[in-house]
Amino acid sequence: GAVVSQHPSWVICKSGTSVKIECRSLDFQATTMFWYRQFPKQSLMLMATSNEGSKATYEQGVEKDKFLINHASLTLSTLTVTSAHPEDSSFYICSARDRSSYREQYFGPGTRLTVT
Amino acid sequence: DAKTTQPTSMDCAEGRAANLPCNHSTISGNEYVYWYRQIHSQGPQYIIHGLKNNKTNEMASLIITEDRKSSTLILPHATLRDTAVYYCIVRVDAGNQFYFGTGTSLTVIP
Repeated sequence: GAVVSQHPSWVICKSGTSVKIECRSLDFQATTMFWYRQFPKQSLMLMATSNEGSKATYEQGVEKDKFLINHASLTLSTLTVTSAHPEDSSFYICSARDRSSYREQYFGPGTRLTVT
Repeated sequence: DAKTTQPTSMDCAEGRAANLPCNHSTISGNEYVYWYRQIHSQGPQYIIHGLKNNKTNEMASLIITEDRKSSTLILPHATLRDTAVYYCIVRVDAGNQFYFGTGTSLTVIP
């Protein structure tokens, strides 16, 4: 099946710094990618929808200036957590919608962010 | 999207069938039932989906009631690697964003 990768798989950063997470569709083109956040023992929560070449659409309660999303190509979307704080520590997961088969969506393996 | 209700947790003996129920009483005629699972610290993995007829693939079987208000995911011979959280999601299609519920935490016991 289609593959979505995330980089890095885990990252530790200091409070106040920014960290960028990449999401790539490896064998298909994705006009739309989604970013989710998952806290320990909780379900995935949708943060934003990222469309190639346009601004991301954020879910209610998600700060767009803190979680910067860029979807500059059909295979890459990035999520930058700016001025990270310990409460931003979480598991971040992306998914991508196949451009050729728009009914299909594939999830990445996730990125574990720890802010110290 | 229609709301789904799943039991919080279930246990299953290794080698036995695991039957995971899901209620979706407000499902619309054009909404599919999707099942995903998430093994600890990994991204969700697609299992199966269906509209109204029962489905079977290499991973599982999906049984949807005639009135479509509930469904059951069946793992025919559960293994320890099937221990995961299983999410039942009702969607018009898989192309748009998913809103995940709490899912069922399945533990397969040796």
